[in-house]
Amino acid sequence: AQKITQTQPGMFVQEKEAVTLDCTYDTSDPSYGLFWYKQPSSGEMIFLIYQGSYDQQNATEGRYSLNFQKARKSANLVISASQLGDSAMYFCAMREGWGGNTPLVFGKGTRLSVIA
Amino acid sequence: SAVISQKPSRDICQRGTSLTIQCQVDSQVTMMFWYRQQPGQSLTLIATANQGSEATYESGFVIDKFPISRPNLTFSTLTVSNMSPEDSSIYLCSVKTNLGANEQFFGPGTRLTVL
Repeated sequence: AQKITQTQPGMFVQEKEAVTLDCTYDTSDPSYGLFWYKQPSSGEMIFLIYQGSYDQQNATEGRYSLNFQKARKSANLVISASQLGDSAMYFCAMREGWGGNTPLVFGKGTRLSVIA
Repeated sequence: SAVISQKPSRDICQRGTSLTIQCQVDSQVTMMFWYRQQPGQSLTLIATANQGSEATYESGFVIDKFPISRPNLTFSTLTVSNMSPEDSSIYLCSVKTNLGANEQFFGPGTRLTVL
């Protein structure tokens, strides 16, 4: 079964608008972490934001915020004030267990295109 | 954060040959992983590189095809053996540092094309 599901293969957003990229996850482990990465056409994986399962508040990093709804097992990424440079693939990932020694499992990704 | 370098950054290889990819980190890390990203696909974990012992492979990946070494805490190699065009992918080294449970970084990747 898929542990990470990203249902949007592609998304378009107007420059300066906000966009939400969906991610749902599946785990029975009470301890887990959720990650979002950006992959531009150059291929590098850029870490954006992290949310721990016990974190009480939604994570924020600059223009990125994570809408964490634990009961629904969703961890959507919100990008505010989109910029042309935000055009890239975005991957949601999860690590199960505490201590961080297990590998990340990735979703299939969402390709975001920002339109001028 | 950790600075990760990979060599080579890209290569074009002939069917049946082998390529060794190197991953070097600028600081000691607890965990090192190797991922494969086939064209247009997501990242798939190949194995966890264990220091001083055999790597732990994921289902569908075997040591004979993807031998891995990790002689110390900052260096690992992945070999893609007896290559076929289906091995054409980006291979990424990833590390978890000692800095916290939420830190995992990726190298720049090695783009491999097999003819």
